[in-house]
Order: sequence, then structure tokens, then C-alpha cells
Amino acid sequence: NAGVTQTPKFRILKIGQSMTLQCAQDMNHNYMYWYRQDPGMGLKLIYYSVGAGITDKGEVPNGYNVSRSTTEDFPLRLELAAPSQTSVYFCASSYNIWEGAGLSTQYFGPGTRLTVL
Amino acid sequence: GENVEQHPSTLSVQEGDSAVIKCTYSDSASNYFPWYKQELGKRPQLIIDIRSNVGEKKDQRIAVTLNKTAKHFSLHITETQPEDSAVYFCAAGLRQLTFGSGTQLTVLP
Repeated sequence: NAGVTQTPKFRILKIGQSMTLQCAQDMNHNYMYWYRQDPGMGLKLIYYSVGAGITDKGEVPNGYNVSRSTTEDFPLRLELAAPSQTSVYFCASSYNIWEGAGLSTQYFGPGTRLTVL
Repeated sequence: GENVEQHPSTLSVQEGDSAVIKCTYSDSASNYFPWYKQELGKRPQLIIDIRSNVGEKKDQRIAVTLNKTAKHFSLHITETQPEDSAVYFCAAGLRQLTFGSGTQLTVLP
């Protein structure tokens, strides 16, 4: 299994440009997440999904959009890039038996380092 | 929402000594408390986790303790080795995780 994969590894954007960060997992996990990690800081949740067709906002959703059309893929869209979105973006996935069972181990992808100039 | 505070931000220990990192959380509904290790330029990796129905959990040199009443949990690493040097993050949550700001652990040979 490849686990959680992310593309691209690095990207430089100009202010106002748009891009999509790709995330895929082959572990048949139902939950998927997008986090951002600013230098020297912890991870902040942007969006998450509990299954195909279901997404919800995390702590810092402004400036981002997501979709989940399949179990495997969870792309993150930046519409109008701003310098404040310079960060490392991590996608993660987990298998949760049912919502009431609580959270379980999240497996992270290798990250995408994004710079907005 | 949940708020997680982590201390200290940096910690240096001699090889073979123990290291302790502490976190407090604000939401009493949180029931899942994982710890992640992140090496420079790499992804976070789970090293141990604990649920609210358990007070302590141990895995070889690593242990985590949870005090629900005081709303704090701690990571204990014994017999530290240079390869333990990394940034460690705590997290807490019920339906989504809130992460602490991290502790840079340096193990001096």
C-alpha cells in the first residue's frame, strides 16, 4: 500500500493564482483531513470529510474549498492565493468504525510545501 | 472549541535521561489524546495515543498519562536516545483533533 499520497511536493504561486492540492489514500479509510502547518507551529485543521459526498469546516477554512467524490481522493482548492496561505499542507486519513466510537489513528501524507509570493 | 497548550516549547536532555512533555486541554468532552513525532521535513507520525477511559498507557520506553479531572496529559520518554530528537505534538479531540504548538526535544550524546 502507498498509504496517503500528496501532489505536488512543492509549489510557488503568485498572489491571486489558484491551484488544487491533490490527496489520495489506498487504505479504504472513510475519514480524511486537511491540515496546514506554519513554521514552528502545530497543525491546524482546514477541512475534513467523514465519507464520500460529506465535508465539513475545521478551524481555519477561509480561502479554501474541498470536495470528496470518492473514498480515495480529497482535493483541496485554493481560489485566490494570498501570502498568508504560505504553509506546509498535510493530508491525513483514518478509519472510524462509527462516529460515536470517537477518533482513531490518523495517517499523514508527506506534505505539500506552498509558497505564495 | 478545544484549546490545547503544550509545555515546554524546547527541551534538552542528556542521552539516557528521561523527558517529560505536558499538555492541557479545555474541552471536557474530548476523549482521544494522541502524541505525534515529527522529524525535520517529514510528516507527523503517531507514537502513542490514549482514550479517556484509560489513565495510563505504555509502549516500551514511551508512556502517556491522562488526568481527566485536571484536564492534562503527559508524554514520558525514558532512556532517551539521540534518535528521539524531534518535535513532539500532543493533540486532543472528540470529532476533530486540536494540536498543541509542539516541543523540540534534543537528546545530547
